[in-house]
Amino acid sequence: DGGITQSPKYLFRKEGQNVTLSCEQNLNHDAMYWYRQDPGQGLRLIYYSQIVNDFQKGDIAEGYSVSREKKESFPLTVTSAQKNPTAFYLCASSSTGGAYSNQPQHFGDGTRLSIL
Amino acid sequence: GNSVTQMEGPVTLSEEAFLTINCTYTATGYPSLFWYVQYPGEGLQLLLKATKADDKGSNKGFEATYRKETTSFHLEKGSVQVSDSAVYFCALSDPYSGGGADGLTFGKGTHLIIQP
Repeated sequence: DGGITQSPKYLFRKEGQNVTLSCEQNLNHDAMYWYRQDPGQGLRLIYYSQIVNDFQKGDIAEGYSVSREKKESFPLTVTSAQKNPTAFYLCASSSTGGAYSNQPQHFGDGTRLSIL
Repeated sequence: GNSVTQMEGPVTLSEEAFLTINCTYTATGYPSLFWYVQYPGEGLQLLLKATKADDKGSNKGFEATYRKETTSFHLEKGSVQVSDSAVYFCALSDPYSGGGADGLTFGKGTHLIIQP
C-alpha cells in the first residue's frame, strides 16, 4: 500500500545535539511538508517542498533544516539552535502544491521528540 | 493572515448523540476547507473536504458544508459511536494568500469523547 513512513517513532536528543527525522513517501507526490504539533496549539508548518531540490520556510523554520534530494524523501534536522524541540513532528505530502493546493495532504504517523 | 477557529474541547457525548463541531475561518483568497481526524499516537487522516462555496463534504457519516457567507465549515454527524472518539482538526488551504507558506492552516483541534 502507498503511504508515508516516518522514523523513528520516538527520538531523544541530548543538549547541543542535532537529530534527523526521516520521512519517506511512495505516493509519487511532488509536494512534502513538515509540521510541528504541540498540545493545545494545533499544527504549525516548519518547511515545505514543492519539487525536488527546492524547499521553502514555513511559519516556524528557525532551528530546523531540510533537504529534498529525492522525490520520495524529505528529512528534517532539528539543530541545537532549536531551544524547545520537544514536540510531535508530522510529515505530509500532496500530489501538488502551490496554486493547486486544494489537494488533500496525506500524513505519516509522526515522530515524538524529547529532550534528555 | 489566514486563521481557523474551532470550538474548545473536550466535547463529551453519549453514543448515538448528534454531533456538531464548529469551525470558522479567515482567509484572504478562496480557500479549500478540510476536516482531519487524529487517533491517539497517530498522524492525521483526511475525513472530508470542500473546495468551493456551498460544497458539501461527506465521509463515514460525517458532513460539513462550505458556507462562504458565514465563513464556516461546521462538522456534523447524526449518531456518533465510541469509535469516533479522536481529535478533529479543521483546516484551510489558501493558495492566493500572497506570500504565505504553502501548507495548511489548522485550528487547534477539538478532542471528542464518546461514552457508551
